[in-house]
Amino acid sequence: KAGVTQTPRYLIKTRGQQVTLSCSPISGHRSVSWYQQTPGQGLQFLFEYFSETQRNKGNFPGRFSGRQFSNSRSEMNVSTLELGDSALYLCASSLITSVGQETQYFGPGTRLLVL
Amino acid sequence: LAKTTQPISMDSYEGQEVNITCSHNNIATNDYITWYQQFPSQGPRFIIQGYKTKVTNEVASLFIPADRKSSTLSLPRVSLSDTAVYYCLVGRRNSGNTPLVFGKGTRLSVIA
Repeated sequence: KAGVTQTPRYLIKTRGQQVTLSCSPISGHRSVSWYQQTPGQGLQFLFEYFSETQRNKGNFPGRFSGRQFSNSRSEMNVSTLELGDSALYLCASSLITSVGQETQYFGPGTRLLVL
Repeated sequence: LAKTTQPISMDSYEGQEVNITCSHNNIATNDYITWYQQFPSQGPRFIIQGYKTKVTNEVASLFIPADRKSSTLSLPRVSLSDTAVYYCLVGRRNSGNTPLVFGKGTRLSVIA
């Protein structure tokens, strides 16, 4: 099976712009989560989508949004970029069993630099 | 969600066995224990998962004592390429509940 893919891999934007990142999960996985990783804060959960619905949301401002399509592909959008949004954005697709056993498979990430 | 405590960092020489212990005193009855490995600028990679006793795969072993209040990830004969951050997660995903939280992890440095 192909792994989780994320595009683009690298991105440079300026303050005030917006950005859209894309994630294609592993075939058959319906849960897609997004994380932001910075050296100071570690891995922070942004949101999770399941069957096109946002199921969970982390503690991030409304500038961060996402969506999931019927084929489970997901996008996240960050509007009005700030310097502090520079980070590695990771997408993970999950396999969750009927007894709640979860394995997350992460993509390579998108490195966003805001100037 | 069960809170986990891991050492911030560990050093080891190549060829040695490395054991990283994670404490999770308030683990719930149905919680699973999962370990991930992360290299710089890459996404975390699933290593191993267990519920009780011992689990072994081609990469590592996971030891879980009877009280399940801690777990130990064992990496046999580490090499330089095992230098990474290792995360311990504890929990069980029921429909709709909050995803498991990644802590700070343990930074393992393997020295030649």
